[in-house]
Parts: sequence; structure tokens; C-alpha cells
Amino acid sequence: AQSVTQPDARVTVSEGASLQLRCKYSYSGTPYLFWYVQYPRQGLQLLLKYYSGDPVVQGVNGFEAEFIKSNSSFHLRKASVHWSDSAVYFCAVSVTGNTGKLIFGLGTTLQVQP
Amino acid sequence: GALVYQYPRRTICKSGTSMRMECQAVGFQATSVAWYRQSPQKTFELIALSTVNSAIKYEQNFTQEKFPISHPNLSFSSMTVLNAYLEDRGLYLCGARDWGYAEQFFGPGTRLTVL
Repeated sequence: AQSVTQPDARVTVSEGASLQLRCKYSYSGTPYLFWYVQYPRQGLQLLLKYYSGDPVVQGVNGFEAEFIKSNSSFHLRKASVHWSDSAVYFCAVSVTGNTGKLIFGLGTTLQVQP
Repeated sequence: GALVYQYPRRTICKSGTSMRMECQAVGFQATSVAWYRQSPQKTFELIALSTVNSAIKYEQNFTQEKFPISHPNLSFSSMTVLNAYLEDRGLYLCGARDWGYAEQFFGPGTRLTVL
């Protein structure tokens, strides 16, 4: 069965520091991969997506992620975080066949300290 | 651009009553609409996936009898939570996409509180 694992429930970093949020997926086919962000009391906003091609994808607000097939990973990175990046981040995979079904990880709460 | 609106943003209902929530897509054709629920302290669970002119597919633990969905055209969908109880509280998200594209656009959600 398909699944997404975000091993870190909570990550705390200082403003200006670099960031990596981990995501691993379990899926035998070719995945479509996404990172979403949820700000307090809001819905989901797409940060970036990977369909094919260059394994490093750029997203909004300086975020990027790298698809490593051999490791089944799609970690999210940012070179320098800002306090406004504090939110919950969800990694998701869309199963083959373009069914529209997204499988989400449990999310990682990012707290950026001033 | 592609936008998804959801109404209402927040709603409170008494235990055992029902409430209806709506999802509207603007700027693209919502050939497929997915309804998700985020229960407190949890991730997003898919309730059902609706495709225009096709049967609605419900995930395990969710039924049409409890969460009837309407998807009458390429811009609108609605879902009702029948006989809502405490375990139904949470944030309900609508994710819409155009056929052939993997990306879903999400609305801001409808937050359901059950008293």
C-alpha cells in the first residue's frame, strides 16, 4: 500500500538557519510528489511539485525539494528560514493513474525562533 | 489563475444534525473533486473522489449514506455531513483538478464544530 512518512513531528530552527524537512514515500510506481504548507487556521497551499525531469524542483518562497528515487525520498529544503515560515508542512504522493487521490504524511510542524 | 472557494468557512452544528458544505472552482475545469477531512491532531484523510459523469468513489470508513456528494458540473461540488457527531469535527478540504493534471488546487476548508 502507498504511504508517506514524515519522521519529524516537530522541527525548531533559528531564523536565518537552513532547513530540511524529511519525507519518504512507499510506492512501487512513478510517483507525483508534493509539498503543501498549512498556516494556522487555514487550508493547504502548494509549495512545490515533482512530476518528472530534473529531480531538484524549486517552489515558492525559496523552498526546494529533491527527488531521490533510490532512497524513495523527497526532502524539502530552504537555505535561510524566516519567522513567517512557521507552519505545518505536509508531504503528499499522488498514485499512478492520475486518479486525483493524494496520500498525505502526518505533517511536520516547523517553529522558527527569532 | 486557478482558485477554489469553500463555503462556509466555519460552521457549528448540534450533534445529530446535518450540514452542507460547498466547493467552487474558478479559472479551471474541476473535472475531479476530492473531499478530505483533517481531524484534530491528524493528517488529511480522503473521504471520496468525485469525477464529473462518473460514479463517486468513497474510501474505506466513509460512505455515501453519511457523506453524500453532489458534483453536477465542472465548477461546483457539495458534500453533506449527515447526523454529525463529535468524531466528525475537523477541517474539510475540497481539492479540485482538471483531468490530465496531477496537481490539485485546494480551498481554504470548512471547519466543522459539533456541539
